[in-house]
Amino acid sequence: DQQVKQNSPSLSVQEGRISILNCDYTNSMFDYFLWYKKYPAEGPTFLISISSIKDKNEDGRFTVFLNKSAKHLSLHIVPSQPGDSAVYFCAAPLPTGANNLFFGTGTRLTVIP
Amino acid sequence: DTEVTQTPKHLVMGMTNKKSLKCEQHMGHRAMYWYKQKAKKPPELMFVYSYEKLSINESVPSRFSPECPNSSLLNLHLHALQPEDSALYLCASSQDSQSRNNQPQHFGDGTRLSIL
Repeated sequence: DQQVKQNSPSLSVQEGRISILNCDYTNSMFDYFLWYKKYPAEGPTFLISISSIKDKNEDGRFTVFLNKSAKHLSLHIVPSQPGDSAVYFCAAPLPTGANNLFFGTGTRLTVIP
Repeated sequence: DTEVTQTPKHLVMGMTNKKSLKCEQHMGHRAMYWYKQKAKKPPELMFVYSYEKLSINESVPSRFSPECPNSSLLNLHLHALQPEDSALYLCASSQDSQSRNNQPQHFGDGTRLSIL
């Protein structure tokens, strides 16, 4: 059973516009969430994270929003750049025990120049 | 540039071969992980090492044998693999393995393994 879900397998956005990638989770025990970006032939690269004590975390062009009541988080990229074209995974570890990450299935973002 | 280095990048082996995947990190992290990723699927955890001791084995078949010679190195020994074991094998590390410390995992670029 997928505990972290990304229901949009792909997203296309014009350069300069906002990209919004969505993620839903089912396990209410999750309290820390991460976004990773993956280029072909490379491993996932850590992008940004958020703890459940916050509802927003910003780092440059990247902002993650967390809605705990809806069990939903989103990653906003603004302005989008062609170099942002990649697969984006959201992930969460269980809050106790070892740092076992549960990944969503990913969303392929294409930024059109 | 990734701070977690995996070798080799690609590996093709027969079902009777023995080979090893290697992973190295020099960030002083004390937790290291092996993940398996099939095409169009998310990574799935295989093993966790914490302070050089195996702390999690996610019901992985014994034909996969992990080894952590020291805090910077992690190996995955392969023997008698099956064609369905063909996948991308990712290594990751984090400062420690305790979820409550909210430490992100940093991944290598993976070894793409093909079993003939």
